[in-house]
Amino acid sequence: EVVLTQSPATLSLSPGERATLSCRASQSISNYIGWYQQKPGQVPRLLIYDASNRATGIPARFSGSGSGTDFTLTISSLEPEDFAVYYCQSRGNWPPYSFGQGTKLEI
Amino acid sequence: QVHLVEAGGGVVQPGRSLRLSCEASGFTFSAFGMHWVRQAPGKGLEWVAIVWNDGFNKFYADSVEGRFTISRDNSKNTMYLQMNSLRAEDTAVYYCAKEAFCGGGSCGFFQSWGRGTLVIVSS
Repeated sequence: EVVLTQSPATLSLSPGERATLSCRASQSISNYIGWYQQKPGQVPRLLIYDASNRATGIPARFSGSGSGTDFTLTISSLEPEDFAVYYCQSRGNWPPYSFGQGTKLEI
Repeated sequence: QVHLVEAGGGVVQPGRSLRLSCEASGFTFSAFGMHWVRQAPGKGLEWVAIVWNDGFNKFYADSVEGRFTISRDNSKNTMYLQMNSLRAEDTAVYYCAKEAFCGGGSCGFFQSWGRGTLVIVSS
């Protein structure tokens, strides 16, 4: 089973700044990583799939990169609504699927 | 518009059973893999189980293997999760989730989510 480790656990930034969130896999997973945003009291929202593809309706300020074991979610210029918890998730070629423990992006 | 509605949650004693359902609409249900994902109070996301679009292939997280059974009825656009031998650590909001379409077909990312149903296992 792939273990995903996200860093940092908490990231404190201000609107307008650039955010860089990391996710490291315990073994190579090609580009099979996705990123989700979850705000308090809301369901998760898919932002990025297959490392770098934005999901439908996701603003261009969200971008993903990486392959193998190291992946990054970048938010180019933070908007107030971007402060939330972010999870990475691997799909691999076969179950099980794994989530990282989350990064809390706070003001 | 994709719509997923979970039902069946509640308070149950340890060792007892519960059956969750997820009614889907707004898409071709039989074309997509469907998942259950759970979130314990104040905790992160945990994948629970998948049922392939044809309903025959099913896989589970180690934490629920042998106790939970996922199924679907494509004629009713509904997915189920039969949960047996429940434990306190199964307490969570259970979400059903529809796979994303990744160009080549349904893939293992969670494009659409229901609002979730809360399961509390407590004596």
